[in-house]
Amino acid sequence: DTGVSQDPRHKITKRGQNVTFRCDPISEHNRLYWYRQTLGQGPEFLTYFQNEAQLEKSRLLSDRFSAERPKGSFSTLEIQRTEQGDSAMYLCASSTPSGRAAYNEQFFGPGTRLTVL
Amino acid sequence: GENVEQHPSTLSVQEGDSAVIKCTYSDSASNYFPWYKQELGKRPQLIIDIRSNVGEKKDQRIAVTLNKTAKHFSLHITETQPEDSAVYFCAAPSKTSYDKVIFGPGTSLSVIP
Repeated sequence: DTGVSQDPRHKITKRGQNVTFRCDPISEHNRLYWYRQTLGQGPEFLTYFQNEAQLEKSRLLSDRFSAERPKGSFSTLEIQRTEQGDSAMYLCASSTPSGRAAYNEQFFGPGTRLTVL
Repeated sequence: GENVEQHPSTLSVQEGDSAVIKCTYSDSASNYFPWYKQELGKRPQLIIDIRSNVGEKKDQRIAVTLNKTAKHFSLHITETQPEDSAVYFCAAPSKTSYDKVIFGPGTSLSVIP
């Protein structure tokens, strides 16, 4: 499978615990995005990377959330001291680099469903 | 904050009829407007996109129109089939970041056989 993959697919944790999710983008894609999706809503932007550089982080994201893409390939999203309100589907997407005149399709992974008890 | 509005939130049509979903947005930094389809339990997938140098784009039974002056764009599905049943998301360019889109809240489309 050469698409975007995410691991784990499901995570159940207790409030206060830390969790880490992994995303493996399509190999030739330089941009990587993290989104959060709750029931009945569209994907909500969290952060994105161009290679290993984190270019933007949503102002809605608390300091408990951190993301890395150390070698410009896979990325991890960590949530510290989880809260029940963190329960959601966490989606990763990747895209090819865009020039000034173009923006490219984002390919989504299957998501990691987080449940905080 | 940035916001993309999408209407209706739910839509039910008879098989063979047309479906129209409308979105509005605020200022944008780029010219790229994609539409994604998400079937139950699956990942969002691009179905069509449009760049603002054109007003309309068609791909078989799917078409998208864009009015950049009025800041709204629409998805049209003709001759709907049961497999068109899904949630559809529009997305508009962020006004602050060239490389980012903002997703609408989605429209749940049901096609009744």
